[in-house]
Amino acid sequence: DAKTTQPPSMDCAEGRAANLPCNHSTISGNEYVYWYRQIHSQGPQYIIHGLKNNETNEMASLIITEDRKSSTLILPHATLRDTAVYYCIVNNAGNMLTFGGGTRLMVKP
Amino acid sequence: DVKVTQSSRYLVKRTGEKVFLECVQDMDHENMFWYRQDPGLGLRLIYFSYDVKMKEKGDIPEGYSVSREKKERFSLILESASTNQTSMYLCASSLSSPREETQYFGPGTRLLVL
Repeated sequence: DAKTTQPPSMDCAEGRAANLPCNHSTISGNEYVYWYRQIHSQGPQYIIHGLKNNETNEMASLIITEDRKSSTLILPHATLRDTAVYYCIVNNAGNMLTFGGGTRLMVKP
Repeated sequence: DVKVTQSSRYLVKRTGEKVFLECVQDMDHENMFWYRQDPGLGLRLIYFSYDVKMKEKGDIPEGYSVSREKKERFSLILESASTNQTSMYLCASSLSSPREETQYFGPGTRLLVL
């Protein structure tokens, strides 16, 4: 699996958009970009994934650059309950997920 | 919504005891996984299964075994618990796909071995 690089921590004001970046410069053509988050003492929660096109669901939006070497997860209106560690992972079918250090997002009132 | 449940959120056992951790998923997923998560080490794969009665070793299978008698249930067994098996244990499941497999996780079991 390609390695990903994320900032170790970020702050965001409640109600504002949280933009979490991820670099994956060695991603291969058939690898998807996945985002998970983990709230303290709970299992990882799937958020969103994509291959080339931007994706949106009820939780977040995923913006993938045209060269696929980086992506941004956007939480449009962050709440205190979005405080968690966010993991960016690149993977394809048949491979095991590898969780790196992630970004610790702190949403502040 | 995919639901993955684990039998216990917290468990305390003594060294040498046999420990069973149960995982059940309700989405008819073929694939099931057991991970452990430790501070600074991330998630590490213990065992996985692509089908009933099938099992494959992950990165750290020593000291563990698994059982998959039914599609929806995947059990992790610690034959003789040791203190270095104190950890957070996470179960996950996914649908088989030729291209991409989203894994869905359970809430985790925090095991303390004394």
